[in-house]
Amino acid sequence: GAVVSQHPSRVICKSGTSVKIECRSLDFQATTMFWYRQFPKKSLMLMATSNEGSKATYEQGVEKDKFLINHASLTLSTLTVTSAHPEDSSFYICSARATYQGTHPAFFGQGTRLTVV
Amino acid sequence: GQQLNQSPQSMFIQEGEDVSMNCTSSSIFNTWLWYKQDPGEGPVLLIALYKAGELTSNGRLTAQFGITRKDSFLNISASIPSDVGIYFCAGIHYGGSQGNLIFGKGTKLSVKP
Repeated sequence: GAVVSQHPSRVICKSGTSVKIECRSLDFQATTMFWYRQFPKKSLMLMATSNEGSKATYEQGVEKDKFLINHASLTLSTLTVTSAHPEDSSFYICSARATYQGTHPAFFGQGTRLTVV
Repeated sequence: GQQLNQSPQSMFIQEGEDVSMNCTSSSIFNTWLWYKQDPGEGPVLLIALYKAGELTSNGRLTAQFGITRKDSFLNISASIPSDVGIYFCAGIHYGGSQGNLIFGKGTKLSVKP
């Protein structure tokens, strides 16, 4: 399957600081990337969908000014958690698809464990 | 909106037993996907199904795309301890305004040696 690399795998930051998480598709061009948040023992919660070159579409209840998403190229999307608070601590996972619609499945990054202290 | 109902939520089985889980929906999907997530990792694609009625195997795993296109199941035969994890189904529906995948809530599998 296709390879999606997410970095960093773990990050600890202080309250009030910002953290950037990168998601790269290594062997295909990702027209669409998704960002998920996962609480312990829970399912994947879609935060936003980003299409290359356009603004991300955020799910209801997700603050776009807090979770900044940039999808500037076909192989890279970034999620920046701004002014992080302890309640932002979670497991964040990205996934990438070659197309917005159609048959292509999504491939996931390894996830980023964010801890805000 | 479209929703997937995945069951069971969790399973506790003995090593060597067979496992079956499924996803159903009131909506039609054009593609069904099955993923496995190990603790602390991102989900990994196990099987992709593209045609109604399609039956596909990947080692001890077998998945089928329901004839009605509203359901799919995943079977694991002769389970082993490394099968532990959360299994997610996902459906893709073409057309309309929604191009992203719809995920089930997952089935947590525990295997007792």
